[in-house]
Amino acid sequence: DAGVIQSPRHEVTEMGQEVTLRCKPISGHDYLFWYRQTMMRGLELLIYFNNNVPIDDSGMPEDRFSAKMPNASFSTLKIQPSEPRDSAVYFCASTYRGGGTEAFFGQGTRLTVV
Amino acid sequence: KNQVEQSPQSLIILEGKNCTLQCNYTVSPFSNLRWYKQDTGRGPVSLTIMTFSENTKSNGRYTATLDADTKQSSLHITASQLSDSASYICVVKGAGNMLTFGGGTRLMVKP
Repeated sequence: DAGVIQSPRHEVTEMGQEVTLRCKPISGHDYLFWYRQTMMRGLELLIYFNNNVPIDDSGMPEDRFSAKMPNASFSTLKIQPSEPRDSAVYFCASTYRGGGTEAFFGQGTRLTVV
Repeated sequence: KNQVEQSPQSLIILEGKNCTLQCNYTVSPFSNLRWYKQDTGRGPVSLTIMTFSENTKSNGRYTATLDADTKQSSLHITASQLSDSASYICVVKGAGNMLTFGGGTRLMVKP
């Protein structure tokens, strides 16, 4: 398996534009997480899905953020409209049910909003 | 509130030296604790996992300890190498599949 795949790796956009980040989890994993990482706040959980269903989105900062998981092999995180303070690295991770399971992270998408 | 605190925030050591990173947590109920290594520009990768009954676990030059009574863990790196330069993140798994992340320790190993 190629691991968790995220795209794009880098995104530079202007304030006010819509941004869509994509994630393909590891096949067979039934949990998918979206994280945001900044120097100031470290890794923050935004939302996670179990079997394609959003379980906890309390970490989503504002209504400008939305996430979907239309099937077991694809998820998106959308920011509309984007703002400079959204600049961060966004990680997607997947794991599977069972004690002690490891969260496998993608390479991340570095988002810069200017 | 579930929290994971790491110290120090950053650390600079000379190649070949040892160092110890600390992690204190208040996550309850506790399931397990993992140390992740995150190289610059990459996603975190798991180094070790500790469950409630484990006190010490080694992975090469990395040794993790866990004191479930005091809710503390440490990661000891022996004979550091330049490639050890990275952020080390302590992650505690609580109820369900919820993970609580520490802020990380940024380690720089200098020649």
